[in-house]
Amino acid sequence: DTGVSQDPRHKITKRGQNVTFRCDPISEHNRLYWYRQTLGQGPEFLTYFQNEAQLEKSRLLSDRFSAERPKGSFSTLEIQRTEQGDSAMYLCASSLGQAPDEQYFGPGTRLTVT
Amino acid sequence: AQTVTQSQPEMSVQEAETVTLSCTYDTSESDYYLFWYKQPPSRQMILVIRQEAYKQQNATENRFSVNFQKAAKSFSLKISDSQLGDAAMYFCAYRSATSGTYKYIFGTGTRLKVLA
Repeated sequence: DTGVSQDPRHKITKRGQNVTFRCDPISEHNRLYWYRQTLGQGPEFLTYFQNEAQLEKSRLLSDRFSAERPKGSFSTLEIQRTEQGDSAMYLCASSLGQAPDEQYFGPGTRLTVT
Repeated sequence: AQTVTQSQPEMSVQEAETVTLSCTYDTSESDYYLFWYKQPPSRQMILVIRQEAYKQQNATENRFSVNFQKAAKSFSLKISDSQLGDAAMYFCAYRSATSGTYKYIFGTGTRLKVLA
C-alpha cells in the first residue's frame, strides 16, 4: 500500500487556462474526497465520491470545477478558465467506507494561477 | 451548520515538555467523530488521534492524548515529551456520524514550534 498519490505536485498556469489534477486513492478505499486549502486556512471540502458516484458537492465548487471518478478508481478534478483566486493546494483523501471511516490524505497539488 | 474553531494560531514548546492545543466546535448532533491531524511542512496530513463522541473515555496514542469535554464542545490535544519531529501544523476536524455526509470540517490550524 503506497498511500494516496496526486499528480502533478505543482502546477503553474496562466489565468484563463484549464487544468486537470489526478488522484489515486488507496486501492481498497471506496470513498474519495477533494478539499481545497488556502494559505493559513484549514482544508475546505469540495466534493465526495462513493465508488464512481459523486454524492456531495460543496457550494465552493462553481460550474468551472468538475470532478470525475470513472470506474470508481482514480479521480480527476478539472478547473476551467482558471482565475487567480483558484490558487491553492488541492488535497485528495480516501477512506475505506466503514466506521470510523478515517480519511487518508495525499500530498496535494499546489496550483498557482498567474 | 457545524463549525470548528482553533483559537491558537501558533504555539511553542520546549523539547521534552508538554503542550496542549485547543479546539472547540459547534454542533447540534449527538453522534460524531473528532480528529486531530498533523501536517508537517511540505508533507501530507497524517492522522494523529481520533475520538468517537459516544465514548466517554479520552483517546490516547502514545505521547498524544485528548481531553474531550462533550458538554463544553471542547477537544484539546496534549502532546507529552515533545520532540523536534512534532513541529507541524495541527488541524482539528469534525465529521458527522449521523447526517449521511462524510466530509470533514476543519479548523484553521495551530502551528506548533518545538524549541531545542
